[in-house]
Amino acid sequence: GAVVSQHPSRVICKSGTSVKIECRSLDFQATTMFWYRQFPKQSLMLMATSNEGSKATYEQGVEKDKFLINHASLTLSTLTVTSAHPEDSSFYICSARLWGVETQYFGPGTRLLVL
Amino acid sequence: QQQVKQSPQSLIVQKGGISIINCAYENTAFDYFPWYQQFPGKGPALLIAIRPDVSEKKEGRFTISFNKSAKQFSLHIMDSQPGDSATYFCAASMEAAGNKLTFGGGTRVLVKP
Repeated sequence: GAVVSQHPSRVICKSGTSVKIECRSLDFQATTMFWYRQFPKQSLMLMATSNEGSKATYEQGVEKDKFLINHASLTLSTLTVTSAHPEDSSFYICSARLWGVETQYFGPGTRLLVL
Repeated sequence: QQQVKQSPQSLIVQKGGISIINCAYENTAFDYFPWYQQFPGKGPALLIAIRPDVSEKKEGRFTISFNKSAKQFSLHIMDSQPGDSATYFCAASMEAAGNKLTFGGGTRVLVKP
């Protein structure tokens, strides 16, 4: 149980284009999903918290107009990197948790490379 | 500022040995302390977690020791195996902040056969 998937697993795009990453909880309903970014050999940095049916809450320094988050259902959250640039190249990981449970289950991550 | 400091950054241990990773936190409002294991190119996987009202928790070869007064907690990997070679992250969260995880910097563990 508690499986979280991400799609795509890897994406390469040209600078200036937008990329959408999906995060799904496969066997449970996730009231809250989190989006993280991880640069090589570094820790995970929380970007935003996504609650179903409400606007995402972004961490300080994260541009909400650049990283659009939609949590349309209890099993799906999407992160759209708009007008991607090479410095946005990173490993994006989502996590999900049930309401009232503190445990976060992580997806397998999405490797984004912006050329 | 909420911070979780993790040490060492890297660790080499012989097969069968004990791997010990330490973390220290500042915010006494943290109420949940998980450890995650991450392999290259993969997402983190929950290993074991503890709450501050417990001093030790053991699951298989993994043990968390928790010292509330010192604001420190550690992960012990007993009988380390080459398959345990991975990066380990400690983290902390508090219900009052929506259970957002604050991660330590990570420890790269290499278990030599």
